[in-house]
Amino acid sequence: EAGVAQSPRYKIIEKRQSVAFWCNPISGHATLYWYQQILGQGPKLLIQFQNNGVVDDSQLPKDRFSAERLKGVDSTLKIQPAKLEDSAVYLCASSLAGGGWAKNIQYFGAGTRLSVL
Amino acid sequence: AQKITQTQPGMFVQEKEAVTLDCTYDTSDPSYGLFWYKQPSSGEMIFLIYQGSYDQQNATEGRYSLNFQKARKSANLVISASQLGDSAMYFCAMMDSNYQLIWGAGTKLIIKP
Repeated sequence: EAGVAQSPRYKIIEKRQSVAFWCNPISGHATLYWYQQILGQGPKLLIQFQNNGVVDDSQLPKDRFSAERLKGVDSTLKIQPAKLEDSAVYLCASSLAGGGWAKNIQYFGAGTRLSVL
Repeated sequence: AQKITQTQPGMFVQEKEAVTLDCTYDTSDPSYGLFWYKQPSSGEMIFLIYQGSYDQQNATEGRYSLNFQKARKSANLVISASQLGDSAMYFCAMMDSNYQLIWGAGTKLIIKP
């Protein structure tokens, strides 16, 4: 079974530029998460989708970040314009969803390492 | 407020020894899940093991076991017979009723040959 796919793996941009990240979850997984992980910290949830609907985007800086999950499968996260403090690893995770902890185990992609200069 | 605390920023362990990584949590919810993830230097977050708050027996997955002490609100990860490939960051996380994870700050484990 294929895991969560993310691209690109690395991205270097200058501040005020825009950038987009792509995520393809595990086949059949209804829930998709985007996280921001700053070096030396645990991940911070940015947005959670259930199929193609947003469950929680309370920590997404909506003035510069946007995310969509068209057709309830793959998803893109965009930053426009980027700031220096956006330098981080952006992780995508997916889970099957349903009742019980086992169905909600989050499986992660390899992440995208963003450097904003 | 819900919180996860990992008090060990870093640990050095000799290869083949057992390792215990500490995790304490705080929540007022009666139902929650406790999870451990491994993050090697490559960056990918790898799921290791989980335990539900109502599970009676401690969870085990191969060399990993979760020492769950509900009264003490602790969920320590035990790695038996450590290997060089176990060197990584380890994160403890708690899942709430919205199926969102609250993460600890992590413990960096280095296995010495």
